[in-house]
Amino acid sequence: AQTVTQSQPEMSVQEAETVTLSCTYDTSESDYYLFWYKQPPSRQMILVIRQEAYKQQNATENRFSVNFQKAAKSFSLKISDSQLGDAAMYFCAYRKAYGGATNKLIFGTGTLLAVQP
Amino acid sequence: ETGVTQSPTHLIKTRGQQVTLRCSSQSGHNTVSWYQQALGQGPQFIFQYYREEENGRGNFPPRFSGLQFPNYSSELNVNALELDDSALYLCASSPPTGGADTQYFGPGTRLTVL
Repeated sequence: AQTVTQSQPEMSVQEAETVTLSCTYDTSESDYYLFWYKQPPSRQMILVIRQEAYKQQNATENRFSVNFQKAAKSFSLKISDSQLGDAAMYFCAYRKAYGGATNKLIFGTGTLLAVQP
Repeated sequence: ETGVTQSPTHLIKTRGQQVTLRCSSQSGHNTVSWYQQALGQGPQFIFQYYREEENGRGNFPPRFSGLQFPNYSSELNVNALELDDSALYLCASSPPTGGADTQYFGPGTRLTVL
């Protein structure tokens, strides 16, 4: 069974600084998708960034980028120039590419990010 | 284009009761998934509906059931409520093209079981 592990329950960063959130996963599949979701206090889960496993190039979305290490099964999120609005719970999630309920997301336990002014 | 909506926002029930939660998917999306998020945890997949049929289920007992309607809106029904069913229930919809398409989440329903 696939699992997702986030070993940092809480992180803190100064405004305008850079922070990296860690995520590891376990799967026997060769093709899959990885995601980072943000959940602010409003509870709405918002997609931050996604990575297709077959792509070697790391995904980037403005101030957000990932370091995808397929062999190590590691998928970290880097937030550059942190802003107060980045404060939220961040979840790493895995989704297989084929077979069955392919929309099934497997989430980690989350990392609560605080941004200090 | 409207986003995913859920109702009600909050709900309080007692043990043994039954509850129905509702989700309206984003326009054009024909797949709906439901998740249970206990306090301090990541969401757990309950099941997925595609074209009005369940086509994937997580590790939840049969007292968790669902429906999807022709307009792709969906219901989650929970019978014989237990205290551990207290959680945030999220639904997510996605378009029919598959692949790495984004799932769009609703704001959730907070269920409290007393």
